Amino acid sequence: LAKTTQPISMDSYEGQEVNITCSHNNIATNDYITWYQQFPSQGPRFIIQGYKTKVTNEVASLFIPADRKSSTLSLPRVSLSDTAVYYCLVGDLTGANNLFFGTGTRLTVIP
Amino acid sequence: DGGITQSPKYLFRKEGQNVTLSCEQNLNHDAMYWYRQDPGQGLRLIYYSQIVNDFQKGDIAEGYSVSREKKESFPLTVTSAQKNPTAFYLCASSITTTGVGQPQHFGDGTRLSIL
Repeated sequence: LAKTTQPISMDSYEGQEVNITCSHNNIATNDYITWYQQFPSQGPRFIIQGYKTKVTNEVASLFIPADRKSSTLSLPRVSLSDTAVYYCLVGDLTGANNLFFGTGTRLTVIP
Repeated sequence: DGGITQSPKYLFRKEGQNVTLSCEQNLNHDAMYWYRQDPGQGLRLIYYSQIVNDFQKGDIAEGYSVSREKKESFPLTVTSAQKNPTAFYLCASSITTTGVGQPQHFGDGTRLSIL
């Protein structure tokens, strides 16, 4: 089971780009990288998923270097509503036990 | 609107009682999951089910039980054997547990407290 390491917390001002990096040194060949966002007293919400290189959707980008031992979630021009906990997960999606939710990164956006 | 509904949002239990948390989904997903989240912590897997009438233990199944009699429903019972049941419980579903791009969709949770 691939474990991940993320910063415990980050602060950013409104309008800035935020990059959250996740380390996953023992990622396996078949593992995908998935990011979730969680607001207080709510369930996590899927943000983005990737295998290698770069993935972009309407809310975020995910950068994955060639060795795949880390990944970076990029949130463009954050707003106060982006204040949340962000989880990085690594797994091959072939079984529920493949998904390990660590403590995540608590992002606080400052006005 | 398709989604996952957990009820109740808040639940109180007396010591020694069993309580059942409801989880219903109308996404036509095969797989369903139960997680527990303690304050400031990540999610820990309790049970999961890949198909009707089948389920497997997760990392912390002791003191919990589940059933999966219908595709859309996956209730969790917190038994009196669970010595520290106070937590935030999250239910999730996914199309299957296999394959690419099968993110889990979560409900908004049930917060269980002991009186």
